[in-house]
Amino acid sequence: GQNIDQPTEMTATEGAIVQINCTYQTSGFNGLFWYQQHAGEAPTFLSYNVLDGLEEKGRFSSFLSRSKGYSYLLLKELQMKDSASYLCAVRDLTFGKGTMLLVSP
Amino acid sequence: DSGVTQTPKHLITATGQRVTLRCSPRSGDLSVYWYQQSLDQGLQFLIQYYNGEERAKGNILERFSAQQFPDLHSELNLSSLELGDSALYFCASSQRQENTGELFFGEGSRLTVL
Repeated sequence: GQNIDQPTEMTATEGAIVQINCTYQTSGFNGLFWYQQHAGEAPTFLSYNVLDGLEEKGRFSSFLSRSKGYSYLLLKELQMKDSASYLCAVRDLTFGKGTMLLVSP
Repeated sequence: DSGVTQTPKHLITATGQRVTLRCSPRSGDLSVYWYQQSLDQGLQFLIQYYNGEERAKGNILERFSAQQFPDLHSELNLSSLELGDSALYFCASSQRQENTGELFFGEGSRLTVL
């Protein structure tokens, strides 16, 4: 089976940096995905890691360690619009319950 | 706009009833995925179709069924509805059978069972 753990909620201040962690256990692995979901809206793709290391894309970066079953999403220069749920997903079938990020002024 | 179209956007019905949710994938995408999202359960994978064939099955109840038609649109049928079936149902599509990239999600169909 597959199991994904993420913190339920996080808070941060506008302009700051926040790291959202995700640990996973899976019987097969072909990549880890991060999605952003604003309340009541569809999830949108942020990043995909299949090899160990850091993938940077603008203000967002994602890191993967396959040996540790661990990933994190790093958000820099936080903006109010970054307030959303961040979903970690292994393969395309299993999503974590998401981390609700609240960015305050 | 992801290019994935779901109808209806909102649906209110009674317990015991049957509803059909429809999804049109992005042009060129052969895989369609159905997910259920409720407040306490997060995003739950239900079923995947690839080019008309069932590819993978998740936590889909026996009261639920789906299919993908030759034109690649898909329908999710929910029957003998219960209060607990109230949720947001998302359809997503991708090009390949195995997902090695981005899933494109529709706006969802919000089902309320009274």
